[in-house]
Parts: sequence; C-alpha cells; structure tokens
Amino acid sequence: QSVLTQPPSASGTPGQRVTISCSGSSSNIGSNTVNWYQQLPGTAPKLLIYSNNQRPSGVPDRFSGSKSGTSASLAISGLQSEDEADYYCAAWDDSLNGHWVFGGGTKLTVL
Amino acid sequence: EVQLVESGGGLVQPGGSLRLSCAASGFTFSSYWMSWVRQAPGKGLEWVANIKQDGSEKYYVDSVKGRFTISRDNAKNSLYLQMNSLRAEDTAVYYCAREGWELNSNWFDPWGQGTLVTVSS
Repeated sequence: QSVLTQPPSASGTPGQRVTISCSGSSSNIGSNTVNWYQQLPGTAPKLLIYSNNQRPSGVPDRFSGSKSGTSASLAISGLQSEDEADYYCAAWDDSLNGHWVFGGGTKLTVL
Repeated sequence: EVQLVESGGGLVQPGGSLRLSCAASGFTFSSYWMSWVRQAPGKGLEWVANIKQDGSEKYYVDSVKGRFTISRDNAKNSLYLQMNSLRAEDTAVYYCAREGWELNSNWFDPWGQGTLVTVSS
C-alpha cells in the first residue's frame, strides 16, 4: 500500500490527452513539492517533472504537471507510442522524521 | 556527463549481508544529498535511505532501520549501502540517485542503472 495513491493504469490513443492523478496528504503533497518519473520498460526511472510543474531540459512540453492541495496531476498531450511507460509521483513526507514517498505507479498504454 | 554506476548486487542467503556501491562522476558529488531507491520485481519504487552532503544526516524507510546503513566517501565520489540481516522481501533492483535541489524543492536526477539484489536460499 503506497502512501501516494495513483490509478494502476491509464490508456489513450495517439494524439489524445491523458491525465494521471496522485493523491496524498498534508504531510507530503500538502506541504512539499511533487515530482514525476517516467520508467520505460527495462530501464531506470527518469525525472519527468520536478517542483510540481517544472520540466527538465530535454523533456517535451507535451508533459505538464500541476498540484492543488494534497493532490497532483501529470498531463500528457499529443500522446505518442513512445510514451508507453510506468509513471510515478513522489514527494517528501514530513512525518516520522522525514522520508520520501512514492505513488504505486501508473502503467500507461497507448492503444 | 553526469553518471551514477551501481555495483555489488548478487545472490545472498537470508540473514546474510551485502554492500552496494555507487560511483558518481561528472558533478561535484560532495554538493548533493544522495539516495538509494529500490524496486522489487514487478513492483513500484520504494525509497530506502538518503544521506546529506557531509554525511551528518541520514534517513531510512522504517523497514530497513537497524539493518541497512547508508554512507558516502566524498574523496572517492562514492555512495554505499551496507545491508545486513537480509530478508526475502529485500529482493529488488537497487538504484542510487542524486537529489537535485532548488529553494524548497528536491528531486531524484539522475538515476543509476541499478543493481539486482536477490535474497534466497
């Protein structure tokens, strides 16, 4: 049972816009920034969005992040086949002396 | 090029020990918090531990407290994870990751390629 809650799966057709939600609490998302990671099959995770809505250099602007209260969302517009991957949200949690928490991950399928 | 390369994984019996290493290059290692994150086969990501730039602060997930120790050698640009009293549930790919930061934000970037730890008799 992950501290941050994500839907286990999402899907869309090429060109569509999909969103992935991430729900937390006041001790994590409610008081700290949210990051998103993309994990392509058989590879290490890669930073996709940091500080709620910032894209690292090289990440297409099709990817965007937002946060409101104790929830966050990742949006992918103009869906492409290479976007098929697992997506994880993460945030620092201030409880229990502090620790990082992840969502359980969302497997995105491009139909 | 910023790079992290893990090593030291392998097969170990329950109750055994293993020491993972992470060699960093392409950045000023001593300026960053560093973390270990693991992923059990077919499962999601789980943060394991992190360590401050000078090693003066360390944090652990509850499930490894008292069994795992994170450490670093800034002179060697290396991060370590000493794992004792290993259990089957510690079986996972272990990634090291640099914690980037800016104002009040932190994130993991980059990640190493991972090293597989299998705990089994």
